Amino acid sequence: AQSVAQPEDQVNVAEGNPLTVKCTYSVSGNPYLFWYVQYPNRGLQFLLKYITGDNLVKGSYGFEAEFNKSQTSFHLKKPSALVSDSALYFCAVRDRGYSTLTFGKGTMLLVSP
Amino acid sequence: KAGVTQTPRYLIKTRGQQVTLSCSPISGHRSVSWYQQTPGQGLQFLFEYFSETQRNKGNFPGRFSGRQFSNSRSEMNVSTLELGDSALYLCASSGRTSGDTGELFFGEGSRLTVL
Repeated sequence: AQSVAQPEDQVNVAEGNPLTVKCTYSVSGNPYLFWYVQYPNRGLQFLLKYITGDNLVKGSYGFEAEFNKSQTSFHLKKPSALVSDSALYFCAVRDRGYSTLTFGKGTMLLVSP
Repeated sequence: KAGVTQTPRYLIKTRGQQVTLSCSPISGHRSVSWYQQTPGQGLQFLFEYFSETQRNKGNFPGRFSGRQFSNSRSEMNVSTLELGDSALYLCASSGRTSGDTGELFFGEGSRLTVL
């Protein structure tokens, strides 16, 4: 079975500071890893994905994520947070078969002015 | 190109009623997945359809059902509604075939309130 853990329900950061949203995963084989963002009363928007290759993945809106196989982690990062980054962030994983995408519980990111 | 379209966006039902939600995937996408989102449980996978066949199913009671049509549009139905069925129901499509990365594209969701 595959699973995702997002250990923080909420992350608070001041505008202009770097941000990190944590994610660890468990999957039987090599993973496909994703980050999505959700604004209030909206669907999920794709941010970035790791498939293979370079462990640092760059995505939309200046976000990036680092894949660490030994720690089974895929933390989301951004060098300088914006107030408009405030939203709910989901990490997701699936293995390379036909399994479904499994999501973490989500982390609320609050960026203060 | 147009994104995933879900209808209706909002609806209110009473216990015991049934509801049907509709999803039109991105043109050319053949896979449609449904998720239930609640504050307490997060995103829970309901089912996935590919070329009119249910390919995967989550751990939900039989009151939850779905189908996919030949044009890839999908519907999900919940019968005998319970208060706990109140949720945001999200549909997602992908062009997923064997070996595809399986990236999902989500609609805006259907917000169901059961009174």
